[in-house]
Amino acid sequence: QKEVEQNSGPLSVPEGAIASLNCTYSDRGSQSFFWYRQYSGKSPELIMFIYSNGDKEDGRFTAQLNKASQYVSLLIRDSQPSDSATYLCAVRTGGSYIPTFGRGTSLIVHP
Amino acid sequence: DAGVIQSPRHEVTEMGQEVTLRCKPISGHDYLFWYRQTMMRGLELLIYFNNNVPIDDSGMPEDRFSAKMPNASFSTLKIQPSEPRDSAVYFCASSRAGPGEKLFFGSGTQLSVL
Repeated sequence: QKEVEQNSGPLSVPEGAIASLNCTYSDRGSQSFFWYRQYSGKSPELIMFIYSNGDKEDGRFTAQLNKASQYVSLLIRDSQPSDSATYLCAVRTGGSYIPTFGRGTSLIVHP
Repeated sequence: DAGVIQSPRHEVTEMGQEVTLRCKPISGHDYLFWYRQTMMRGLELLIYFNNNVPIDDSGMPEDRFSAKMPNASFSTLKIQPSEPRDSAVYFCASSRAGPGEKLFFGSGTQLSVL
């Protein structure tokens, strides 16, 4: 069974700090990895995706992938209160178009 | 494009009643997904369609749940009879084909079964 695990949190960080969100997955055949942000009462929206080992940066966000260790992480630099949300990790296995979601990590950025 | 459109936004019904949720995917998207989200279980995939054909409904919890996609621009998820434990947010999402394609989610339907 394909599993995607995230710490539910909440992860609380002060404004301006780096928030680090982690995700592990069980299927070694996984090929694409996504981070979605979900504000309370809203639907998930994609913020980052990554396919290759290493880092991928987009503004204040950096996704990190380590396939050997089967984890993917999301770093948010200079965290803002507006970053407070639940972050969902999603994984797609090669050949399958079905993303499996983790349960999400709640992030709180306090002023 | 207006994005994925779901209706209704909120549904309150009594146990035993039939509930129908509706979804209009983004034009040109080959895949349509129905998810259910609860605090306890997170985001669960119920069923997905490829080119209007149901591919995997193993996530449908019981025979009380059914889904259809009569054409490329419309899908329904029906619960009959509804039960209090069905209370959740139901999301519809669509995407193009390809392992790197992201999901576009609708606004969701908040279902409360009393």
